[in-house]
Amino acid sequence: GENVEQHPSTLSVQEGDSAVIKCTYSDSASNYFPWYKQELGKRPQLIIDIRSNVGEKKDQRIAVTLNKTAKHFSQHITETQPEDSAVYFCAASTNNNDMRFGAGTRLTVKP
Amino acid sequence: NAGVTQTPKFQVLKTGQSMTLQCAQDMNHEYMSWYRQDPGMGLRLIHYSVGAGITDQGEVPNGYNVSRSTTEDFPLRLLSAAPSQTSVYFCASSYSGGPAFFGQGTRLTVV
Repeated sequence: GENVEQHPSTLSVQEGDSAVIKCTYSDSASNYFPWYKQELGKRPQLIIDIRSNVGEKKDQRIAVTLNKTAKHFSQHITETQPEDSAVYFCAASTNNNDMRFGAGTRLTVKP
Repeated sequence: NAGVTQTPKFQVLKTGQSMTLQCAQDMNHEYMSWYRQDPGMGLRLIHYSVGAGITDQGEVPNGYNVSRSTTEDFPLRLLSAAPSQTSVYFCASSYSGGPAFFGQGTRLTVV
C-alpha cells in the first residue's frame, strides 16, 4: 500500500518567516494530495490540495508543489503568523480514496 | 447540514469489552473511512468503504470490523478491546477524488 513520509516532525520559526514541509509518497497511482491543519483537540481541516495533473497551486500565503517523477510534494507557508501554529499533515490518495497520511509536522510560530 | 457526526466523543472500556463507534454523514458521499491517531504516528487508516455493501482493509485493520449497509452510516466495531487500541478515532467521508471531511473524533481509553 501507499506510504507517505513527512519531514520535519517539528518546525519552529519566527513570525514573518517562511515554513516548508516536505513529503514523499510511494504509490505511483496516487493522484490527489491534500494538506490538513489540526489544532489541539480538534479535527483535521483541509487547507489546500493539489492533483497529479498540476505542478503548483497557491492560496494566499500557502503554496504547494508536486513533482510526480520524484514522488515529492511540499507545502510552503509565507509570512507566518502565530495562528499558523498547529500540526500539519500531508496525504496521498488514489481513485479509491484510500487516503494515507504522513506522520505530521508540529509548527510553532514564535511572536 | 451536520457533515460527519461521530458518537460517542469519549469512551472508557475494560480490556476484553466490545463496543461500536458510530459514524454518520449527511453529504451523500460515496467514500467513508476510519482512522486512528496516535502521538507521533499521524492518522492511520483502519478500514474504508467505497460505497454501500463494500468495505476494505487499510493499514491497521486487526481487531476492528466494519460494515456499510447504507450510504450514510459506517460503524466501527471493536471486538475485544485491548490497551493498544487506546487512541483517538476519526471517521471521514469524501466524494470520489475529493478531500476527506472528518468527524469530531472519539477519544477511547482501554484499561
